[in-house]
Amino acid sequence: AQTVTQSQPEMSVQEAETVTLSCTYDTSESDYYLFWYKQPPSRQMILVIRQEAYKQQNATENRFSVNFQKAAKSFSLKISDSQLGDAAMYFCAYRSALGGSQGNLIFGKGTKLSVKP
Amino acid sequence: NAGVTQTPKFRVLKTGQSMTLLCAQDMNHEYMYWYRQDPGMGLRLIHYSVGEGTTAKGEVPDGYNVSRLKKQNFLLGLESAAPSQTSVYFCASSRDGYSNQPQHFGDGTRLSIL
Repeated sequence: AQTVTQSQPEMSVQEAETVTLSCTYDTSESDYYLFWYKQPPSRQMILVIRQEAYKQQNATENRFSVNFQKAAKSFSLKISDSQLGDAAMYFCAYRSALGGSQGNLIFGKGTKLSVKP
Repeated sequence: NAGVTQTPKFRVLKTGQSMTLLCAQDMNHEYMYWYRQDPGMGLRLIHYSVGEGTTAKGEVPDGYNVSRLKKQNFLLGLESAAPSQTSVYFCASSRDGYSNQPQHFGDGTRLSIL
């Protein structure tokens, strides 16, 4: 079974600085998708960024980018120019491309990011 | 644009009581999911549905039942609530279960069992 590990329960960053959140996963599959979700104190789950395993190019969305290392099974999230509104819980998630029950999202336990003014 | 709507947002129950959480989506999604979120545990899948009239067990299904009588609605039932079911419950929906299309989440229901 696939697993997702976020080894940093908590992280802190100074406003305007850059921070990287780590995520590793375990799978024997070659085709899958990876996601980062943000959960602010409002409790909403908001999609930040997604990556297809077949794409070599790292995904970017404005200040958010990923470092996808398929061989190392690593999927880190980089937040540039951190803002106070980035303070949230961040979840890494894996989805198999096989569908069925294997297509369900598997979440890591999350990293709580604090942003200092 | 409502997206995924969960009702209620908060609820307090006594042990042994029953209740139903309602999830409604207006995106015509085939797949719907129920998760629970506990501190330090991330999100764990309770049950899911791949289409109207279908349901399947997830990682932590014990003590819960679900129904998907209409495509837009997915109900989560607790027949006899237990304190271990105190949690935040999230509903989500997605177009499918095998592509890069993300799951869209509701705002969650905080449920306390006394």
